[in-house]
Amino acid sequence: TQLLEQSPQFLSIQEGENLTVYCNSSSVFSSLQWYRQEPGEGPVLLVTVVTGGEVKKLKRLTFQFGDARKDSSLHITAAQPGDTGLYLCAGNNFNKFYFGSGTKLNVKP
Amino acid sequence: NAGVTQTPKFRILKIGQSMTLQCTQDMNHNYMYWYRQDPGMGLKLIYYSVGAGITDKGEVPNGYNVSRSTTEDFPLRLELAAPSQTSVYFCASSYPPGTRNYGYTFGSGTRLTVV
Repeated sequence: TQLLEQSPQFLSIQEGENLTVYCNSSSVFSSLQWYRQEPGEGPVLLVTVVTGGEVKKLKRLTFQFGDARKDSSLHITAAQPGDTGLYLCAGNNFNKFYFGSGTKLNVKP
Repeated sequence: NAGVTQTPKFRILKIGQSMTLQCTQDMNHNYMYWYRQDPGMGLKLIYYSVGAGITDKGEVPNGYNVSRSTTEDFPLRLELAAPSQTSVYFCASSYPPGTRNYGYTFGSGTRLTVV
């Protein structure tokens, strides 16, 4: 079983649409990160959230950490083909480190 | 800055062979990690290190060994390669958890096939 469950697993949308990706757990995390990975490359850090209820924005991407620090969401406004990739959430609790299985996003022009 | 550098990028091993995956970072990060990524399975932690001379097991350590003699280098050793070790291996580094903007910097990966 995966400690961090991501949904949906796959998402195929048209350019300009909005979308939300979820990362859920029954465990509490000290911090949670979101990464984007393109084929043949390592994941690249997008954001780190550490405070329950925290909201961070990165251009058209909005990240939220749940009040209880057990879940997070990533919302993309007006998706573009350049947003295509694998989105991964990762959480840590002291020296315990976990990744979700990822959401594969395809944005069609 | 080179960041995290992994070598080799690709390797084919025969069952029972051994090899070392190299990883070096130039960001003076205390923490270093080895992950493997199987198709559709996310990343699973093999080993990690909190500093030179200190290593600890992750979720899937069997069949692997690590050492950390310097801050910069964190090699991963595969002994007696098995087909189940076919995967993409990522090395990463970070400041300690709890530091501001904590997060991994990943290398570009090593694609290993065991036949």
